[in-house]
Amino acid sequence: NAGVTQTPKFRVLKTGQSMTLLCAQDMNHEYMYWYRQDPGMGLRLIHYSVGEGTTAKGEVPDGYNVSRLKKQNFLLGLESAAPSQTSVYFCASSGVGSGANVLTFGAGSRLTVL
Amino acid sequence: QKEVEQDPGPLSVPEGAIVSLNCTYSNSAFQYFMWYRQYSRKGPELLMYTYSSGNKEDGRFTAQVDKSSKYISLFIRDSQPSDSATYLCAMIESGGSYIPTFGRGTSLIVHP
Repeated sequence: NAGVTQTPKFRVLKTGQSMTLLCAQDMNHEYMYWYRQDPGMGLRLIHYSVGEGTTAKGEVPDGYNVSRLKKQNFLLGLESAAPSQTSVYFCASSGVGSGANVLTFGAGSRLTVL
Repeated sequence: QKEVEQDPGPLSVPEGAIVSLNCTYSNSAFQYFMWYRQYSRKGPELLMYTYSSGNKEDGRFTAQVDKSSKYISLFIRDSQPSDSATYLCAMIESGGSYIPTFGRGTSLIVHP
C-alpha cells in the first residue's frame, strides 16, 4: 500500500520558471492538502481540497495554484517561481468523518529556486 | 499570536529520561488533538490521537489534554535515541472544516 506519493522528490528551478508538483493517494481519501515547511515556521497550509473538483485557499496561497481533476490526484503549480518559494512541500490526505482527523503525509518534495 | 503555540526547542535529553512536550492553544472549539512525529527529511506521521479531555497511553507514549487550561502534553518514558525527531501537535475544531491547525513543532534530541 503506497499511501501518499509525491513527485518529484527534488527540483531546482530558476526564478520565473514554472513547475507542477504531483500528489497521488491510493486510500480513496476525500480530503487532500498541500503544505510548505520552512525552518522555524512549522507546516503552513497552501491549498486544500474536500473532494474531486473542489479546491480552497489555505494560509499561504499566493503564488500557487492547484487542481483536483481526479479524486486520487492533487496538483500544486508554481506559475513563476520566486526564491521565497524555496521550501519543502508536503502533500497529505485524509478521509471523512472521524477519519478526517488523521492526515497521511507524503515524503516531501524539496524545491530550490535560484 | 498563533492559535497553537509550541516551543521549537531543541530539547536535548539523555537516553532513559522522561520527556515532556507541550502545546498551548487559544481556540476553545478544538476537540480533536493529535501528535505527529517527523524524522529528519521525512513526512510527519501520526503518533497519538485524543478526543476531548483526558489521557491516552500507547506503550512509552502518553498524551494528555487539559481543556480547562487549553494545554496538551506528550510524555515519552524511557526515551531512546530513536525517539529523536520533531514532534508536532495538531488540533481540529468539532463540527468545523476538519482542517487541522498545527504547532510549529519541537525538535527532540535523545543522546546515548
